[in-house]
Amino acid sequence: AQKITQTQPGMFVQEKEAVTLDCTYDTSDPSYGLFWYKQPSSGEMIFLIYQGSYDQQNATEGRYSLNFQKARKSANLVISASQLGDSAMYFCAMREGAGYSTLTFGKGTMLLVSP
Amino acid sequence: GAGVSQSPSNKVTEKGKDVELRCDPISGHTALYWYRQSLGQGLEFLIYFQGNSAPDKSGLPSDRFSAERTGGSVSTLTIQRTQQEDSAVYLCASSSDSYEKLFFGSGTQLSVL
Repeated sequence: AQKITQTQPGMFVQEKEAVTLDCTYDTSDPSYGLFWYKQPSSGEMIFLIYQGSYDQQNATEGRYSLNFQKARKSANLVISASQLGDSAMYFCAMREGAGYSTLTFGKGTMLLVSP
Repeated sequence: GAGVSQSPSNKVTEKGKDVELRCDPISGHTALYWYRQSLGQGLEFLIYFQGNSAPDKSGLPSDRFSAERTGGSVSTLTIQRTQQEDSAVYLCASSSDSYEKLFFGSGTQLSVL
């Protein structure tokens, strides 16, 4: 089974509207971390937001927030007030366990923001 | 340095040749990762170094792939006898702590003709 599932290959949103990018994960480890990265056409990977499995509140970073529903094993990214510069690929990723380990990435969602 | 540095940024090679890709992580970061991203795909984990521990090589696709990290800093990913399916962007990342985010380099675009 895939550890990270992003079911939306592509999403369209109009400028200034909010958009939600879906991410579900699969782990039996009680300790894990969830990450969202943005990859514009330039190819660089830009960290957006992090949510720890024991965090009581949903993470927020400026216009980005993470809708963390632990029982459903979902970690959706919400972008408020979309901007043209938000057009990019968005990847959800998970790190399992309390020690050092690698990140497992989903296949990504392409977001296109229109004027 | 200020960020993760990778070289070369682009590499074109002929099938069957060996290539070396270099990664210089952020100073002080103990963890270093190599990922591969094929066109339009997600990131595929290759190998992970953490301090002086034995590397996690579980993601290397074949024995043609190897990596080393000298002095706990610079890493080199070597692909021997390259094949066309090796064409991809190879991304290096580093982090300072188990819960820290990964900082990525800008990648090496490898094209095998």
